[in-house]
Amino acid sequence: EPEVTQTPSHQVTQMGQEVILRCVPISNHLYFYWYRQILGQKVEFLVSFYNNEISEKSEIFDDQFSVERPDGSNFTLKIRSTKLEDSAMYFCASGGTGSGKLFFGSGTQLSVL
Amino acid sequence: GESVGLHLPTLSVQEGDNSIINCAYSNSASDYFIWYKQESGKGPQFIIDIRSNMDKRQGQRVTVLLNKTVKHLSLQIAATQPGDSAVYFCAEKENTPLVFGKGTRLSVIA
Repeated sequence: EPEVTQTPSHQVTQMGQEVILRCVPISNHLYFYWYRQILGQKVEFLVSFYNNEISEKSEIFDDQFSVERPDGSNFTLKIRSTKLEDSAMYFCASGGTGSGKLFFGSGTQLSVL
Repeated sequence: GESVGLHLPTLSVQEGDNSIINCAYSNSASDYFIWYKQESGKGPQFIIDIRSNMDKRQGQRVTVLLNKTVKHLSLQIAATQPGDSAVYFCAEKENTPLVFGKGTRLSVIA
């Protein structure tokens, strides 16, 4: 069964450093998303991406965040200068349509020290 | 603003019993609702969805009920199994990205 894969599974970084979280969505999907989940809290929407551009973003997704689809298979989330409060599990998701049926990866646990 | 919330943060159920997880929503214009399950250490996993033109939809061992009058939906799991232990999220989507509620942790007692 096709799945969304994310790398790395864990990322530890120093405050102020740049991190890139990587995702390989399901190959024939057209809609891509990043969500995050701070420990013990709900899953929060960050950004959606369709047709090679951001379609929507939340207030969390400020100028420190960017997304890119550098080739036909990868979808990345970059945090330019990490803050302590960026520590969370980051989930990539993809969907074949614009519906709510999304396929999530297993996440990247980001720890900012 | 819109919000999606759960009535109870935790639910404990005996193995073999039926589980009912409830969810309230505030946006009366929402026309599509989804239930996701998140097991420990994993990403959310789609369970079942329902559109606002339906009151009930059944899947394998799961049923979602939608009451638009009181803006409430529920997820029923028949014959709950240990593998059903997870956090369950309801989510709504109405021309916006998927918005998750806080989740209900279902614990299955063997």
